[in-house]
Amino acid sequence: GAGVSQTPSNKVTEKGKYVELRCDPISGHTALYWYRQSLGQGPEFLIYFQGTGAADDSGLPNDRFFAVRPEGSVSTLKIQRTERGDSAMYLCASSTDGLRSEAFFGQGTRLTVV
Amino acid sequence: AQKITQTQPGMFVQEKEAVTLDCTYDTSDPSYGLFWYKQPSSGEMIFLIYQGSYDQQNATEGRYSLNFQKARKSANLVISASQLGDSAMYFCAMRPLTGNQFYFGTGTSLTVIP
Repeated sequence: GAGVSQTPSNKVTEKGKYVELRCDPISGHTALYWYRQSLGQGPEFLIYFQGTGAADDSGLPNDRFFAVRPEGSVSTLKIQRTERGDSAMYLCASSTDGLRSEAFFGQGTRLTVV
Repeated sequence: AQKITQTQPGMFVQEKEAVTLDCTYDTSDPSYGLFWYKQPSSGEMIFLIYQGSYDQQNATEGRYSLNFQKARKSANLVISASQLGDSAMYFCAMRPLTGNQFYFGTGTSLTVIP
């Protein structure tokens, strides 16, 4: 596809369950970012991949959150033992390298933990 | 530390008037890029305009222009001839050369009044 694709668009899960959120970036984009956005707030950085490796995972809130990008393209954000406070919009973005390259965002996955 | 500050939680503007959305930033990186994004109620993040830290001229893109004052570390977005479709959240972001990730402000909600 032409843009960043995120699936599912909506996910409702019970507290304590495990969830996976998928991001398919724009082909050729080496940089991939995950953000979390609560209502009325700005995107909060979670993790940044350069190629297959996590270049910066300092934004992951705790060890329940984990993300992978095994082949340098598709990425999966994994949340274990979900809590109600994890409810938010999870945004994925991809970019080429270089200061002038903007981040292209997907439509996001709305996660609701009940 | 990298930080983006948007001090206007909400702004109102009359249709066809111009409006300025404020953004200040803090970084120790000598090279960085500044970006503005629009997020309508549909949730997608739309890239608007880019300004490089070494660019000599203020960026312009159609009705959008950036008032870049490097010494003050400010990068205010100016929207001219506001339209009803401009009603949205607006986010300022910075991408330093070191680290390569995007840092976002908390956003400004703009409402265009007919």
